[in-house]
Amino acid sequence: EVQVVESGGGLVQPGGSLRLSCVPSGFTFSNFWMSWVRQIPGKGLEWVANIKEDGRETNYVDSVKGRFTISRDNGNNSLYLQMDSLRVEDTAVYYCVRGGWYAVYWGQGTLVTVSS
Amino acid sequence: EIVMTQSPATLSVSPGERVTLSCRASQSVSSKLAWYQQKPGQAPRLLMSGASTRATGIPDRFSGSGSGTEFTLTVSSLQSEDFAVYYCQQYNDWPRTFGQGTKVEVK
Repeated sequence: EVQVVESGGGLVQPGGSLRLSCVPSGFTFSNFWMSWVRQIPGKGLEWVANIKEDGRETNYVDSVKGRFTISRDNGNNSLYLQMDSLRVEDTAVYYCVRGGWYAVYWGQGTLVTVSS
Repeated sequence: EIVMTQSPATLSVSPGERVTLSCRASQSVSSKLAWYQQKPGQAPRLLMSGASTRATGIPDRFSGSGSGTEFTLTVSSLQSEDFAVYYCQQYNDWPRTFGQGTKVEVK
């Protein structure tokens, strides 16, 4: 059974940093693009970033470019999202998803709250 | 950025009814269009990719159509478990973008 499990969310002050992690299972991680998608509570969805199977290609939505970094460790079956210079508007549930084009599998999400 | 617009925002229907949801792209996305279903407190679930290809385990009462800029998701006979919010998403270009969602609620 395919599963992806996120962790690392929490409360952080504006300007702070947070690192999200995602551990997948049930499929060969190194064979798939992976992505992070976020959802402001009660609102719509935004595709934040994606990363190629070998980690050599990444893409970011403009609103996070220069502040967020997506990375992966295929040896340890892990996906990461380093979030720096966090803003109030980054408050959302962050989902780890399998896929770089559309999201076939989703984690349960981890809540990031940016507030003073 | 490709803007995805869904209509209507809310649809009030009775179980057993046929439902059609619309999604429009601000420029052509070919057939690179996915649909998702989201229930309260849950992550979205992939229903459809390629505009009309059902994901694994999705019942055949769900069907998708369209290409270019106009797309529809049809539920032939709405079941109680189908009341949810539905999102379309284009993957023809970066950034991937979602519509704002259509909420299907009980009439």
